[in-house]
Amino acid sequence: GAVVSQHPSRVICKSGTSVKIECRSLDFQATTMFWYRQFPKQSLMLMATSNEGSKATYEQGVEKDKFLINHASLTLSTLTVTSAHPEDSSFYICSARPLLGLGNTGELFFGEGSRLTVL
Amino acid sequence: RKEVEQDPGPFNVPEGATVAFNCTYSNSASQSFFWYRQDCRKEPKLLMSVYSSGNEDGRFTAQLNRASQYISLLIRDSKLSDSATYLCVVSGYQAGTALIFGKGTTLSVSS
Repeated sequence: GAVVSQHPSRVICKSGTSVKIECRSLDFQATTMFWYRQFPKQSLMLMATSNEGSKATYEQGVEKDKFLINHASLTLSTLTVTSAHPEDSSFYICSARPLLGLGNTGELFFGEGSRLTVL
Repeated sequence: RKEVEQDPGPFNVPEGATVAFNCTYSNSASQSFFWYRQDCRKEPKLLMSVYSSGNEDGRFTAQLNRASQYISLLIRDSKLSDSATYLCVVSGYQAGTALIFGKGTTLSVSS
């Protein structure tokens, strides 16, 4: 099946620093990727939709200047948490789905997730 | 009203039990439906898609009622390895449409 790779899987940083998370679709092209965030015992919450070659679409309540998204190619999207604070500590997961057709069911494939801890 | 609502859980059942999870969704335009499984501190993984006619995959049976905007998952003969959080997920049809997740229902199967 389709594979989405996310890196790093775990990062610990000091408050005020910026952290970049990469998401790659390894065997398919994705014009759209999705970034989710999950706090402990909570559901996955969509943060933003990353569009290749254009600006990301952010969900209500998500600060676009704090969570910078770049989707420069059909296989790579990055999320940068700028000036991270302890309340940004969370599990960040990227995802993408191959284009429909060729037997694809619309399934969304997830990266392994990045656990961010801001001290 | 939340977009996707699930049984609050947790469900604690013995091995061999049959357990059912329910889910309702608010967007009548939703086209794709899934059950995902998430193990502790891991990313979600697709358990099964849900089709209008209902579908079965081994011990797992999924049902969809579009009129009631209701989805269910039935697990028969529960195994210890079934212990996880089960996420009800709905989406539009196009590749550019995000999936919307329910909060999840935690299942714990004990011996």
